[in-house]
Amino acid sequence: AQSVTQLGSHVSVSEGALVLLRCNYSSSVPPYLFWYVQYPNQGLQLLLKYTTGATLVKGINGFEAEFKKSETSFHLTKPSAHMSDAAEYFCAVRGGSQGNLIFGKGTKLSVKP
Amino acid sequence: GAGVSQSPRYKVAKRGQDVALRCDPISGHVSLFWYQQALGQGPEFLTYFQNEAQLDKSGLPSDRFFAERPEGSVSTLKIQRTQQEDSAVYLCATREAGNTGELFFGEGSRLTVL
Repeated sequence: AQSVTQLGSHVSVSEGALVLLRCNYSSSVPPYLFWYVQYPNQGLQLLLKYTTGATLVKGINGFEAEFKKSETSFHLTKPSAHMSDAAEYFCAVRGGSQGNLIFGKGTKLSVKP
Repeated sequence: GAGVSQSPRYKVAKRGQDVALRCDPISGHVSLFWYQQALGQGPEFLTYFQNEAQLDKSGLPSDRFFAERPEGSVSTLKIQRTQQEDSAVYLCATREAGNTGELFFGEGSRLTVL
């Protein structure tokens, strides 16, 4: 069975600082991994995804993530935080033959001026 | 439409009432998922449709929850005899044919049961 663990329910960084949001997964098959962002009172928007191929994946808004099979990790990073990055971030792994997503509990990112 | 549309955006129900939540998918999207997102939690899978066929309803928490998609487009999630623990945001997500594509989410329906 597939599962996702996000370390840290709340991360706070200063504007301009590095953003690092941690995600570890468990999967019995080669994983497809996703990061979604959710702004208040909105649905989820895809930031980036890893399916196969290059392990460093670039997404929207300057975010990227690296798939590390040996560490079963898929951490999300951004070199320089903007105030507009304040939101909740969810890591997900594809589970099952229908392509259903299994989500972590989320990490709320706060950006201080 | 341009995106996944859900209605109502907000619903307040008294305990014991029935509610119906609607999802209008992106035109042509074959796959449709319903998720439940409790406060402070990640979305949890409820049920999955491929066209009009409900292929997986393993996530429905009780027999009070029922979903349908009779013509393979609009879907309705119905909750009978609502309980306080049903309070959550209900998200609909759709996808083109195939099982590796991106899921597109609606903005959700926030249900509060008093």
